Amino acid sequence: QSALTQPASVSGSPGQSITISCTGTSSDVGAYNYVSWYQQYPGKAPKLVIYDVNKRPSGVSHRFSGSKSGNTASLTISGLQAEDEADYYCSSYTTSITWVFGGGTKLTVL
Amino acid sequence: EVQLVESGGGLVQPGGSLRLSCAASGFTFSSHWMHWVRQAPGKGLVWVSRVNREGNYTNYADSVKGRFTISRDNAKNTLYLQMNSLRAEDTAVYYCTRDGDNWNFDHWGPGTLVTVSS
Repeated sequence: QSALTQPASVSGSPGQSITISCTGTSSDVGAYNYVSWYQQYPGKAPKLVIYDVNKRPSGVSHRFSGSKSGNTASLTISGLQAEDEADYYCSSYTTSITWVFGGGTKLTVL
Repeated sequence: EVQLVESGGGLVQPGGSLRLSCAASGFTFSSHWMHWVRQAPGKGLVWVSRVNREGNYTNYADSVKGRFTISRDNAKNTLYLQMNSLRAEDTAVYYCTRDGDNWNFDHWGPGTLVTVSS
C-alpha cells in the first residue's frame, strides 16, 4: 500500500487560509469517507483534528475544515495562527482492511 | 480523561524480540478497537496493526505480517505488541492509539522508542 501524496510543505501569513491536499486512489481515499487528519508538533504525539472527511472532534478549532473530491481530500486552516505551525498528516481506511497515511506536510506560519 | 501510556521500548539487536505494552485508562477499554502506529526518526506515520474489542480479530501491515502479534487483555486494560525477528527498519517510535469507532485514531499515547541496532 503506497502512502497518500501530500505536499512536503506549505506556508502562510497570520490571518490567511491555507489548504493541504491529500491524494490517494479509488482503493483508499476514493473508496470511503474515512479520511482523517492529524496535527503533530515536534517530539509530540499526533492529535486528531478532522475525521470522516469533514467532522471536527470536540475541542478542535472551527478554523479547521475538511473536504473530499474523488481520490483527493483536503484540509483547510483559516485565520492562520502561529500555534498552527506543525506537521499535518492525512489518513484513510483502505479496501485491504488496512490504513494508509500521507507523507506529511510541514506548515510554516510566516 | 483518556490516557494511553506505552512501555517496553529500548535497544534490541537485529533478529531479536521485544514486547510493547500500552496501559489504558479513562475510558471503557473493552469497548474500543485499538491500533499500533509507528514513526521512524524524521519520517512519517505508518499504520502497523489493529485488534478488535474482544481480541480475536486482527489486521497487520504487510511489512510486519508474520513477525508482529497484536493482543489485548481487557481485564488489565492493556494492549500489547509482540515484535519478533526485528530489523533495522523497524526502528521507530511506536504509538498506541484508540479507534474512534469510525476508523480514525482519536487518542494517542506519547509513544515508546524501539531501536534495532547491533
